[in-house]
Amino acid sequence: QKEVEQNSGPLSVPEGAIASLNCTYSDRGSQSFFWYRQYSGKSPELIMSIYSNGDKEDGRFTAQLNKASQYVSLLIRDSQPSDSATYLCAVRPGGSTLGRLYFGRGTQLTVWP
Amino acid sequence: GAGVSQSPSNKVTEKGKDVELRCDPISGHTALYWYRQRLGQGLEFLIYFQGNSAPDKSGLPSDRFSAERTGGSVSTLTIQRTQQEDSAVYLCASSFPAGGGYEQFFGPGTRLTVL
Repeated sequence: QKEVEQNSGPLSVPEGAIASLNCTYSDRGSQSFFWYRQYSGKSPELIMSIYSNGDKEDGRFTAQLNKASQYVSLLIRDSQPSDSATYLCAVRPGGSTLGRLYFGRGTQLTVWP
Repeated sequence: GAGVSQSPSNKVTEKGKDVELRCDPISGHTALYWYRQRLGQGLEFLIYFQGNSAPDKSGLPSDRFSAERTGGSVSTLTIQRTQQEDSAVYLCASSFPAGGGYEQFFGPGTRLTVL
């Protein structure tokens, strides 16, 4: 069973703060990791992908991957009310380049003004 | 360019009826996926198509569910003899191995309500 666990939340931060979202996965051979944002009533939107250990930055978003600890995180700097959404961590298991993703249940983030 | 499209956006049906849900992937994407998301729940994998390979049907919950992909493009998910527990948002995603990304992009979903 390939599991993806996310901090359950909900997470609430003030505008301008850093929001930290965490995810652990069970399949040690996993190679591809993704963060999706899902607004209420909408479909998931890809915001970050990461494949190598370390940090990957894109604007206000930073994804961090530590394969030894089987841990991936998403930091949102200067959080805005428009960042309020559910964030889904997704993992593709090892040995598969185009196969299905395994999703966590999501962390609901609220950024209050 | 155009993203993944799905139709209908909403479908209300009576228990026991059959329904067909359609997905049109991003042009040129070779891989297509169906997921289901029940209210307040995570994404549940249903089926995956890649090119001419046999589909991965391991996520289909029962033999009432089937899917096909014609011409390597449009896909139809069929649910026969619908049950109330089939009520969910059905999401389609597509992917293309450009630059090693293999990222999946989702359509807007079809909200299915079984009365």
